[in-house]
Amino acid sequence: QVQLQESGPGLVKPSDTLSLTCTVSGGSISGHYWSWVRQSPGKGLEWIGCIYSSGNTNYSPSLKSRLSISVDTSKNQFSLRLNSVTAADTAVYYCARDLGDILTGPDALDIWGHGTMVTVSP
Amino acid sequence: QSALTQPASVSGSPGQSITISCTGTSSDVGGYNYVSWYQQQPGKAPKLMIYEVSNRPSGVSNRFSGSKSGNTASLTISGLQAEDEGDYYCSSFSSSVTLVVFGGGTKLTVL
Repeated sequence: QVQLQESGPGLVKPSDTLSLTCTVSGGSISGHYWSWVRQSPGKGLEWIGCIYSSGNTNYSPSLKSRLSISVDTSKNQFSLRLNSVTAADTAVYYCARDLGDILTGPDALDIWGHGTMVTVSP
Repeated sequence: QSALTQPASVSGSPGQSITISCTGTSSDVGGYNYVSWYQQQPGKAPKLMIYEVSNRPSGVSNRFSGSKSGNTASLTISGLQAEDEGDYYCSSFSSSVTLVVFGGGTKLTVL
C-alpha cells in the first residue's frame, strides 16, 4: 500500500528557508495531485498547496510569495520550500496524496504522512 | 478565520447519532461536489472519512455518512462509539481565493 514519509529539519531559524521532502513508497507518484497541509499547535488544518505529478502547482494565496513546491518523479518524491520563515510558520507539516487527477483537479486527501514538527526559533 | 464554518464542539452518548455541519458559499461547498471530511485523533494524522460529499473510502464504517444541501455539508455519525472521539474537519474544492479550503474543526466528545 502507498505510504508517505516527511523528512527535513525540525528546527529552522527565523528568516531562513524551511525545506521538507515527502517520499512516496508502495506506488507511483505519477497520475496524482500531492499536497502539503500544516497544523499550528492547538489549531486547525491549513492547506499549503499542491502539485500534480507533471509539475503543475497551486499555492495558498497567503503563502504564495514565499512558497515553492516541486516534484522529482525519478525519486518518487515531492518537496516544499518556504522562505523567510517566522514563528507563525511553526507547525506540524503533513504531506498527502489527493484522489483527484488532472481532469478533476484536487478532490480529497486519502493518504497522509505521519507529519513532521517544524519549529521556527533562533 | 477559516473559510468553512463548523461548530466548535458536539457531543453525544454511545449509541446516539450526531451531525456536524460545514457551511461555505456557492464558490466552494455549494458549487462543487468535492466536499470531504477528516477525522483526527490526538497526536495522529488526519484520516479521510468521506469524499465527494457522501462517498466512504474502503475500510470506513458505514456509521459515517455525508450529505449536502445548498452551501452546507453535513457529516452524520450513527451508533456513536467511544472510538469516534476526536476532531473532525470538513474541506472543499474552491473557485474563490484558494483552491482548497478547510473548516475550523469540530471536537466530538462521546459522553
